[in-house]
Amino acid sequence: EPEVTQTPSHQVTQMGQEVILRCVPISNHLYFYWYRQILGQKVEFLVSFYNNEISEKSEIFDDQFSVERPDGSNFTLKIRSTKLEDSAMYFCASSEGLAGGLSTQYFGPGTRLLVL
Amino acid sequence: AQKVTQAQTEISVVEKEDVTLDCVYETRDTTYYLFWYKQPPSGELVFLIRRNSFDEQNEISGRYSWNFQKSTSSFNFTITASQVVDSAVYFCALRPNNAGNMLTFGGGTRLMVKP
Repeated sequence: EPEVTQTPSHQVTQMGQEVILRCVPISNHLYFYWYRQILGQKVEFLVSFYNNEISEKSEIFDDQFSVERPDGSNFTLKIRSTKLEDSAMYFCASSEGLAGGLSTQYFGPGTRLLVL
Repeated sequence: AQKVTQAQTEISVVEKEDVTLDCVYETRDTTYYLFWYKQPPSGELVFLIRRNSFDEQNEISGRYSWNFQKSTSSFNFTITASQVVDSAVYFCALRPNNAGNMLTFGGGTRLMVKP
């Protein structure tokens, strides 16, 4: 069964450093998403991406964040200058479309980011 | 604005008991999708079910069943004859049809099934 994959599974970084989180969405999916979950809290939407453009973003997704689809398979989230409060589990998700059964978002296993 | 409330933060049951996880949502949209996801201790988010707002039929899948009641804005999840492997955090989520494609999650319910 096709699945979303994410690398790395864990990342530790120093405050102020740049990090890139990588995702490979399910191959026939067209919509890609990033969510984050601070430890013990709810899952929060960051951004959605379609047709090589951001289609929607939340207030959390400020200028420190960017997303990119550098090739036909990868989808990346970059945090330019990490802060302590960026420590969280970051989930990538993808969906085939937006309507009906196509709208289901399938999540990757997550990248746990720790900023020291 | 959308909101999903899972009032039960933690539930503990003994194996073989039935358990219901509550989910109440708020949206001004007339059409929307509701979801349940399971997050086992390993941390991934596993899709369980999607329900369209115009389909109020209850659904059963093995030991899992879902009760969608539009009149009370609820989408409750019942596990029958719970097993230790059901121990996880369960999230209810909402996506209105006309408000973008972001999922709004509830706070989650941690279910602990003891042997």
